[in-house]
Amino acid sequence: AQKVTQAQTEISVVEKEDVTLDCVYETRDTTYYLFWYKQPPSGELVFLIRRNSFDEQNEISGRYSWNFQKSTSSFNFTITASQVVDSAVYFCALSEESSGDKLTFGTGTRLAVRP
Amino acid sequence: EAQVTQNPRYLITVTGKKLTVTCSQNMNHEYMSWYRQDPGLGLRQIYYSMNVEVTDKGDVPEGYKVSRKEKRNFPLILESPSPNQTSLYFCASSYQGLSDTQYFGPGTRLTVL
Repeated sequence: AQKVTQAQTEISVVEKEDVTLDCVYETRDTTYYLFWYKQPPSGELVFLIRRNSFDEQNEISGRYSWNFQKSTSSFNFTITASQVVDSAVYFCALSEESSGDKLTFGTGTRLAVRP
Repeated sequence: EAQVTQNPRYLITVTGKKLTVTCSQNMNHEYMSWYRQDPGLGLRQIYYSMNVEVTDKGDVPEGYKVSRKEKRNFPLILESPSPNQTSLYFCASSYQGLSDTQYFGPGTRLTVL
């Protein structure tokens, strides 16, 4: 069974600090997909990234970067020079090829960025 | 404007009174899905649909029904709601499954008394 663990329930940082959100997953499949979503205080869910299991290249998008390491079953998310607008709940999620398009989310990490 | 809409946005009901939460997308997406969000539990998938007349169970399907008679609509049906179904519900869609970006609706906050 697929499982996603986000051990950090809440993180608080001061603006301009770098912050890393951890995501550890469990799967027996060799083909799987990992996702990150953002849920700002307004409540909507925003897709951030999708990564498949065959692509271990790190991804950078502006201040956001993702570090995918199959050896440790982790898909961590780093925000560089955090801003108040980054305050949100961030969810990591996993889909296994064998489970079709079923998606399993972690419990989320609430990030508070203080000015 | 491309969007996923849900109705109602807020609903308070009583135990056992059948209700339907509608979900509609205008992007011609094949994949649609329902999730519930509860404090401390994150989002859990209820049902998903790869295309018209094709639906599959997610992690927490008990107490829910869905149908996909048209590509654009994916209603969530609670035949006999119970208080443990009090939650925030999200509908989502994507062009072809999880290989594409999922677009989420604004959410429906349901309270079952």
